[in-house]
Formats: sequence, structure tokens, C-alpha cells
Amino acid sequence: GAGVSQSPSNKVTEKGKDVELRCDPISGHTALYWYRQRLGQGLEFLIYFQGNSAPDKSGLPSDRFSAERTGESVSTLTIQRTQQEDSAVYLCASSLSSPGGELFFGEGSRLTVL
Amino acid sequence: GQNIDQPTEMTATEGAIVQINCTYQTSGFNGLFWYQQHAGEAPTFLSYNVLDGLEEKGRFSSFLSRSKGYSYLLLKELQMKDSASYLCAVRDRWGGGNKLTFGTGTQLKVEL
Repeated sequence: GAGVSQSPSNKVTEKGKDVELRCDPISGHTALYWYRQRLGQGLEFLIYFQGNSAPDKSGLPSDRFSAERTGESVSTLTIQRTQQEDSAVYLCASSLSSPGGELFFGEGSRLTVL
Repeated sequence: GQNIDQPTEMTATEGAIVQINCTYQTSGFNGLFWYQQHAGEAPTFLSYNVLDGLEEKGRFSSFLSRSKGYSYLLLKELQMKDSASYLCAVRDRWGGGNKLTFGTGTQLKVEL
């Protein structure tokens, strides 16, 4: 596709359930990022991928959060045993690997944990 | 690590000029970005600075001083549609050289 695609756009789940969020980056973009944005807050860095490897996982809030990327394309962010504080919009972005490569964002996946 | 500071809110008048400041601290500066985010939408790219000086792009300009750890975004001829959150983001050369950390954003309100 022409832009970054994320699914689902909205997800409502019960506390304790696992959720999986998907990101399809722009074709040819080797860098892929996940951010979390709570209501009225800024973007909180979670993890980024260079190709299929993740040089920086420092933003993952706990071991309930994990992410993978395959084929230098699709990435999934998995949240296990969801908690109410996990409720947020999860934004994915991709970019070329050049230092000046701007990030192109998807529309986000809005997660609500009841 | 990084520390990025920007004002939480600003208000300006349609047709005026507004300057949004951003200060940062990082051990490995590798570029600074400004993004615009309208409520309920994804952020969109505005500007990129890696060398000192002013980058102009239409009504928007961005300035960088690496020695001072300081940047500003200048918006001229303000329009109502410019009401949005403006995010300063710093790229760090460590951890693969592509990590981009965002500030909390400055909510700009343009009034008549």
C-alpha cells in the first residue's frame, strides 16, 4: 500500500486477555517503530526495528509486551495479560534508514482494556 | 538517555507569528524533527534539522543550535487549521542510530 497500515483500528478487550496489534510498513522502509500514546499525552517510545532485529527495546514497559518483525516487513506487537493501564493508542511508523529519514505514521490501533 | 522539554500549551491569533521552543539533552545527537498532530490523527512530518541554522519551508521554519541543545519551530501567517499539537523529536546515534524520542508536545490554539 501507499502508507503505513495498522490493524485493528479499534480493539476492546477484557483485563487479562492477550492482544496482538499488526503493522504493515511502507514497502522498502527498513526501520519500523512502535509508540504508545495515552489520552492527552505525548508519544512514548516502545521499540524500534532495523530490518528484523531490534537494536533498542528499552521502551517496552514490562515483560508482558513483546514485538517481532519478519521479512523486513510486517511487525506485530503483543500484549499479554492486558491491564487497564495498557489502554492507549498504539502507533506504528516506518522510515528509510538514512539519518534524515522522516517517520511515516499509521493511523494507530486504539486499545481499550475494560 | 534523552530529556526533551517543550511548553505544554500556547495560544496565538490568526494571522500572527508564533514560536514554539524545544530544548533537549542527549549524549548522541543525530538530528531533530518537528511533527504536527491534529486531535485523533497520526503525526505528520514538518521539518528536519541536523546542522545549526534555519530551515525554511513555506509558512513553517525550524531552527537548531546544537551547542545550546535548542530548537524552535516558527509558524507565520497563522491559520485556524494550524491548531494542533506540535511535537519535537530527537534522533539518537546510539542503539542503532535511528531511535527517535518525542517530547510531550505543545498544544497550539489559534484564535480569531
